[in-house]
This record gives sequence, C-alpha cells and structure tokens, in this order.
Amino acid sequence: DTAVSQTPKYLVTQMGNDKSIKCEQNLGHDTMYWYKQDSKKFLKIMFSYNNKELIINETVPNRFSPKSPDKAHLNLHINSLELGDSAVYFCASSPIQGAGGNTQYFGPGTRLTVL
Amino acid sequence: DAKTTQPPSMDCAEGRAANLPCNHSTISGNEYVYWYRQIHSQGPQYIIHGLKNNETNEMASLIITEDRKSSTLILPHATLRDTAVYYCIVRVPNSGSARQLTFGSGTQLTVLP
Repeated sequence: DTAVSQTPKYLVTQMGNDKSIKCEQNLGHDTMYWYKQDSKKFLKIMFSYNNKELIINETVPNRFSPKSPDKAHLNLHINSLELGDSAVYFCASSPIQGAGGNTQYFGPGTRLTVL
Repeated sequence: DAKTTQPPSMDCAEGRAANLPCNHSTISGNEYVYWYRQIHSQGPQYIIHGLKNNETNEMASLIITEDRKSSTLILPHATLRDTAVYYCIVRVPNSGSARQLTFGSGTQLTVLP
C-alpha cells in the first residue's frame, strides 16, 4: 500500500543514453516533486508540478524533463545522460492547502549510475 | 526561507530521549518549523511541524522557544532504527509559486546500543 512509489529502484546505463524514471502517488495530492541527492548527500529540488503545471524549475539542464500524464504521476525523462547525472533521485508529493502544504511524502528513491 | 543551524552529529543511548536542537534566529512570524529525517538509503520522512505551540505526535515532540528563535525535536525513547540524518526546515507553507523544501546538511543522529 505504498504512498509514493518509484521505478526502477536501480538504473545503470551508459553515457549518452536516454532514460526515464517513473513516479506514482496514491495520496490524492496536488503537487509532486523531483529531488536529486548527490554523492555528498545534499538534497536539491529539481522540479515540482501542480495540476499539470510546472511551477518551479531550478537550474537544471534541459536534458531533464518532467512529464505528468495525470495528477498521480510525475515521470522524469533524462536525455543524453552524463557521468555527473549519477545520483539518487527522489520523487515526493504534498497537499496544497494549509500548514500541511509543506508536508511532503517521499518515494524510496532511484539510484542512477551512469558509466 | 529562514536559515537554520544544526549540529552536524549527535549520539544517543538506546532507550533514552534524543534531543535535537535547531537554531532559526531569523525566523519570521508566518514561518513554520518542519522536521524531516532520512534513514540511510531511504527517502526523507516527515516527522512533525509547528508554528509556535509545542506539538506532539506518535513519532516525536517539537518544542519551540517562546521567541521562536530555536526549537528542539525530541524522540522520547530512541531506538536503533531512529539512526538517521534529521533536517530542520523553516518556511512559510505554500508560499509563492514554489513549495519545495530546502534541505541543509542536517544532524546525523546515531543511536548506540
């Protein structure tokens, strides 16, 4: 009965390839996010989506593109993978209203290794 | 968002209370204090949040000083499974168009047997 799920859990690929990571939440939340955690363990926001609208986009290369087919899904597509893209990617979701608006629920993470 | 300061690491004996401090001296009146933790190789997990009153839930208690410039997360009976990095985050909920959380370096809590 997972609240936020991601697939795959591990992804090993060659430089230059294109890959996707999927995320699904069954919490009925309005906003979903993608975070990147690098080797130094710092968690940084990449994207968030609210009602199919991209509402933030940090200084992320345009090789990364979030795609939200519906409110429950936010997939991350990465083109032309580079060595520096190796990291753990976390999906999260949150409700939109009230003080709980910053209560985010995270998925288990996808460890991406680019060779 | 107000800047937070946390000790980089702490130890706690199993079964004892773990008290994790956080300084947020520049907090503004409408900013909440949120606590998350990240157990090794897992996604961050929400623990608790509060504005000015002390809060308690099944996981922890949050004590916020009267001037709101600091807070303490209390795990009343720490277990080995509480070993994790604990993040204190201060922000206005749903502020602006961005609702992302800004994670600092947190406090590595190690619960010792």
